[in-house]
Amino acid sequence: DAGVTQSPTHLIKTRGQQVTLRCSPISGHKSVSWYQQVLGQGPQFIFQYYEKEERGRGNFPDRFSARQFPNYSSELNVNALELDDSALYLCASSPVGRAWNGYTFGSGTRLTVV
Amino acid sequence: QQQVKQSPQSLIVQKGGISIINCAYENTAFDYFPWYQQFPGKGPALLIAIRPDVSEKKEGRFTISFNKSAKQFSLHIMDSQPGDSATYFCAASDPTGGSEKLVFGKGTKLTVNP
Repeated sequence: DAGVTQSPTHLIKTRGQQVTLRCSPISGHKSVSWYQQVLGQGPQFIFQYYEKEERGRGNFPDRFSARQFPNYSSELNVNALELDDSALYLCASSPVGRAWNGYTFGSGTRLTVV
Repeated sequence: QQQVKQSPQSLIVQKGGISIINCAYENTAFDYFPWYQQFPGKGPALLIAIRPDVSEKKEGRFTISFNKSAKQFSLHIMDSQPGDSATYFCAASDPTGGSEKLVFGKGTKLTVNP
């Protein structure tokens, strides 16, 4: 079975540009969460979606937005990129978005802002 | 403020030894406590998890000890192997606000010498 698929794996962008990251959850999983992992730190929660509805949002500026599609895949958009946005962006897939159900992480998208 | 404090930052043990990683939290709303293992270039993978109404959970060589009154929990890796060398994150599930977001510690880089 395919795990959580994220694309692209690596990305280099210039400050001020916009970026879109993509995630395909495990088949049958209806919830997707996004996390930002800065080098040397633990992942930090950005968004959670369940059944195409935003269920929660972390402490990130409005430059960050996301959506979930009818097939449960998801996109994370970041506008007006800043140097501090350089990080590994992780997508976590879950059957119903409950921790006890288990979150499965993808390998992430490494974003570098120069 | 850091909601989940993890120590030590790095740990070196000999093959066959016991690795112990400690975490502490303040928010009594946290209701689920997973540990994740992350290898370079990969996303975090769920290792073992515990609910706050249980004091200990063991799965193979991995054991979580949980002290609800002290708001502390720890991971013990028995008979540590070189293949266990990775970064370990404790986390807590925060159900407030409608989403079950994971709050991570800063991680412990474990090195097991052969």
